[in-house]
Amino acid sequence: RKEVEQDPGPFNVPEGATVAFNCTYSNSASQSFFWYRQDCRKEPKLLMSVYSSGNEDGRFTAQLNRASQYISLLIRDSKLSDSATYLCVVISNFGNEKLTFGTGTRLTIIP
Amino acid sequence: EAGVTQFPSHSVIEKGQTVTLRCDPISGHDNLYWYRRVMGKEIKFLLHFVKESKQDESGMPNNRFLAERTGGTYSTLKVQPAELEDSGVYFCASSPTTGTGFKGYTFGSGTRLTVV
Repeated sequence: RKEVEQDPGPFNVPEGATVAFNCTYSNSASQSFFWYRQDCRKEPKLLMSVYSSGNEDGRFTAQLNRASQYISLLIRDSKLSDSATYLCVVISNFGNEKLTFGTGTRLTIIP
Repeated sequence: EAGVTQFPSHSVIEKGQTVTLRCDPISGHDNLYWYRRVMGKEIKFLLHFVKESKQDESGMPNNRFLAERTGGTYSTLKVQPAELEDSGVYFCASSPTTGTGFKGYTFGSGTRLTVV
């Protein structure tokens, strides 16, 4: 079983719609959680950290459920520029900054 | 500030040849990481330097891979001899000294390695 699992998609969503991704992780001792965004043939870029209390950054909301070991990302009022691959990323060990990536969820926003 | 720089951006080599990838981290970043994405798979950790020391090299696939970070500045990753399964995108990333709260890495744009 992979340490971080994501639905690879693709998700094809009309512009202006709301889209949600989920991700599950297997290591209950995991410490830190992130969503990264990766455009085609580019490097991953940090989108946002994820906290148990939930956090919001503009149109993006991230949530962590430790009991169920899943992480979610909600994108509201989707824009064409949101088209990308969204990577769920976990740090499993305290004091260790080794990132464990999911395979990513591909999102395409349709005009 | 300048970001993480990787060179070359692309490399095509024949099986059995040697390739050396280079990464220049953001100036002042003590932590330097190498990751790799092979076709169809997730990005995977290779190793972590703190300054010039290897902190964690648990992700290195085998002894054909050698990473160095002389003087704690830039790093090289050498693959010798290259095999077909080494093809993929090699990412370097850097981050400042921990203790201020991890806020994520800055990744370089990657080196796309193709072994034929």
